[in-house]
Amino acid sequence: EPEVTQTPSHQVTQMGQEVILRCVPISNHLYFYWYRQILGQKVEFLVSFYNNEISEKSEIFDDQFSVERPDGSNFTLKIRSTKLEDSAMYFCASSEGPRRDEKLFFGSGTQLSVL
Amino acid sequence: AQSVAQPEDQVNVAEGNPLTVKCTYSVSGNPYLFWYVQYPNRGLQFLLKYITGDNLVKGSYGFEAEFNKSQTSFHLKKPSALVSDSALYFCAHNTGGFKTIFGAGTRLFVKA
Repeated sequence: EPEVTQTPSHQVTQMGQEVILRCVPISNHLYFYWYRQILGQKVEFLVSFYNNEISEKSEIFDDQFSVERPDGSNFTLKIRSTKLEDSAMYFCASSEGPRRDEKLFFGSGTQLSVL
Repeated sequence: AQSVAQPEDQVNVAEGNPLTVKCTYSVSGNPYLFWYVQYPNRGLQFLLKYITGDNLVKGSYGFEAEFNKSQTSFHLKKPSALVSDSALYFCAHNTGGFKTIFGAGTRLFVKA
């Protein structure tokens, strides 16, 4: 089965530094998402992206966050100035279409640790 | 606000016994419900989804889920648990637009 791939698997950074998390969605998918999971807590929606635009974002996704599809295959999440509370597992996901019964395909995640 | 709730942090079951992982929902309009499973160091994997009109939904790896509108529940079930079913299970709902919300997750532990 096709997979969503994420790099790196682990990222350690100092507070205040910028990080870019990278994802390669499934090739024929058009809708892309970022979720995060703080250790021991629920999976939280961050943002959805379609046609080079943000479709929806959560209150977590403030001005420190941005997303980009720099080319035909990659989808990135940038955190401009990391905070301790940004430490979490970040999951990229993609789907073929926008239907509400569409399943999501998730990558294995990037564990971000902010020191 | 729309939400899904998983009342149990952990479910323990012996191998070969039936298992149930509970989920209740509070949504506006029709529910678009899913179950996902997360194995260690892996992303979430789709198990099954609710299809309107089918109160019993069958999914991957022998799992099924029972939709109950009057109880606003969508419990995940399996007739005979395997040790390999031990994982973290998430109930989810697509709220419309481009957003899926997840429950807090239930850790299933199947003992040999």
